[in-house]
Amino acid sequence: DTEVTQTPKHLVMGMTNKKSLKCEQHMGHRAMYWYKQKAKKPPELMFVYSYEKLSINESVPSRFSPECPNSSLLNLHLHALQPEDSALYLCASHQSLAGHISSTDTQYFGPGTRLTVL
Amino acid sequence: DQQVKQNSPSLSVQEGRISILNCDYTNSMFDYFLWYKKYPAEGPTFLISISSIKDKNEDGRFTVFLNKSAKHLSLHIVPSQPGDSAVYFCAASVSGGKLIFGQGTELSVKP
Repeated sequence: DTEVTQTPKHLVMGMTNKKSLKCEQHMGHRAMYWYKQKAKKPPELMFVYSYEKLSINESVPSRFSPECPNSSLLNLHLHALQPEDSALYLCASHQSLAGHISSTDTQYFGPGTRLTVL
Repeated sequence: DQQVKQNSPSLSVQEGRISILNCDYTNSMFDYFLWYKKYPAEGPTFLISISSIKDKNEDGRFTVFLNKSAKHLSLHIVPSQPGDSAVYFCAASVSGGKLIFGQGTELSVKP
């Protein structure tokens, strides 16, 4: 089973709203990621969690706030977003013990949440 | 500085023929390479990978070739099917680092 699930599938929010994106995996992976993807562009890394601790923050604005409640769950809390934040938000996970890609494992992506900020 | 490049933004192939997608990289420290397939409004789906200690990896219709001296890898799909139409991303990593993606190539397989 290589499934990463994300909810909701679609989200429309105003600039003053607070919302959360959720990601779940039951593969026993200890590294989880948030990416942002604009149309026809590659995924852009936002955050990496390794063993439930934030290990990489790619200079993401504070209006995006990640949270890893346990090894299977990853949340992304959204507050005071801008219209340019509209994108596909992807969660991914992999097994690496060190929180980094090794030559023996693969990063698996969820289906994404399509976010529209009005 | 783009460390992973897919110079062809699009490719059109006839059904049943071979599709060849290319990827070049600049960082000689990359030791793991992956190909992902992406349909619109969906997450990337892992297709196939190759370690830098190999020069070929095959999985069904998909074969990835790695030429380390040229810093080049390619994905061959044989035979191509209409369902293969999607955007294909090449990605690379260094042990201890993150995935670096290319810009993607949109493959269109025509019946």
